[in-house]
Amino acid sequence: EADIYQTPRYLVIGTGKKITLECSQTMGHDKMYWYQQDPGMELHLIHYSYGVNSTEKGDLSSESTVSRIRTEHFPLTLESARPSHTSQYLCASTGGGSTEAFFGQGTRLTVV
Amino acid sequence: KQEVTQIPAALSVPEGENLVLNCSFTDSAIYNLQWFRQDPGKGLTSLLLIQSSQREQTSGRLNASLDKSSGRSTLYIAASQPGDSATYLCASPAKAAGNKLTFGGGTRVLVKP
Repeated sequence: EADIYQTPRYLVIGTGKKITLECSQTMGHDKMYWYQQDPGMELHLIHYSYGVNSTEKGDLSSESTVSRIRTEHFPLTLESARPSHTSQYLCASTGGGSTEAFFGQGTRLTVV
Repeated sequence: KQEVTQIPAALSVPEGENLVLNCSFTDSAIYNLQWFRQDPGKGLTSLLLIQSSQREQTSGRLNASLDKSSGRSTLYIAASQPGDSATYLCASPAKAAGNKLTFGGGTRVLVKP
């Protein structure tokens, strides 16, 4: 059973608000990922972390930012939400190398 | 840069038929290949993980093969059931890509009762 959690599960918020999507894992995994996925569409990597204090932008440009102050925690922040940010955001983690990757249940964000 | 492709994009079969889902990747220097299932609006559930040194992996009705030399993996689902209806994705962390998980576009499967 995967021990990776995302909160909130659903979020409806007004334009211009600042939001933080939470992702936590209890498996001690070094590598964590944020993906963005529109309904029926492909997963796009937007942020990646190799470990504490190490983050990179992914293949898809995103206005969001991330931080990795603790191994188990990888929050994603949008300083000023816009309707174009409406999407599902999925967090994943892996121990790296040949280890299995696990996903959280996702956060469905709607900006109105 | 690792590129992962899944064919077909969608598949519809009657209940009881076997399913064959294909995944191809461009960089054969991989750590492993993983197959996931995604139900609408949900996260991804890991189905099978094949290590780079393995040729296949089995779990119940699911069997996945890996051929690194040709850059291909195939997921077989035997005796399909309506509950197998979902999107199936493959992903691989390529060594040259710093272990980033690269996903295919997925195959959307519908099993008709």
